[in-house]
Amino acid sequence: GESVGLHLPTLSVQEGDNSIINCAYSNSASDYFIWYKQESGKGPQFIIDIRSNMDKRQGQRVTVLLNKTVKHLSLQIAATQPGDSAVYFCAEIGNNDMRFGAGTRLTVKP
Amino acid sequence: GAGVSQSPSNKVTEKGKDVELRCDPISGHTALYWYRQSLGQGLEFLIYFQGNSAPDKSGLPSDRFSAERTGGSVSTLTIQRTQQEDSAVYLCASSLAQRGSTDTQYFGPGTRLTVL
Repeated sequence: GESVGLHLPTLSVQEGDNSIINCAYSNSASDYFIWYKQESGKGPQFIIDIRSNMDKRQGQRVTVLLNKTVKHLSLQIAATQPGDSAVYFCAEIGNNDMRFGAGTRLTVKP
Repeated sequence: GAGVSQSPSNKVTEKGKDVELRCDPISGHTALYWYRQSLGQGLEFLIYFQGNSAPDKSGLPSDRFSAERTGGSVSTLTIQRTQQEDSAVYLCASSLAQRGSTDTQYFGPGTRLTVL
């Protein structure tokens, strides 16, 4: 796994605003991607996934965008709510390998 | 069960003691993973079990770490002679299919290990 130090990138947004969380993945052969949400004291929870033959996928209030050219993945959360406060991290899967990003801490201000 | 369960949820131990962490995967899931998550860091892969195949132990940080999976279901992660740097949250995940497939891993709540 990757290690980027003790301090996670943070994103602070106002309740009701949209949030965009970014992830740069490392393996150009990765063909499946997942976003996880991890609330304090809990295990990671699946949010949304996307395959490499797509560049956009929408769920309920969440959208994942995939740009394979620059190996970039983003998670957009519409109308962010206090319950969305958590650490969000991406996972890339390919070649019998799965890697996780360190995550971004999202804080929603009321 | 409905999801992956882990026990204990919290474990405080003294340096040098051995600890055992337990994971009950989702019934029917053939793949089981152990990860370690240190404060503010991403998931660090430890070990992967797939059915009756030999486990992938490539992520275990030292020979003090070992894991087994009995009967293709419950798994135990053992840390011998614990050190303070072993303090972390240990997460277990399971999935229906093998690693590298599009099958999602479902995570347990983790065991928070504190070595004093």
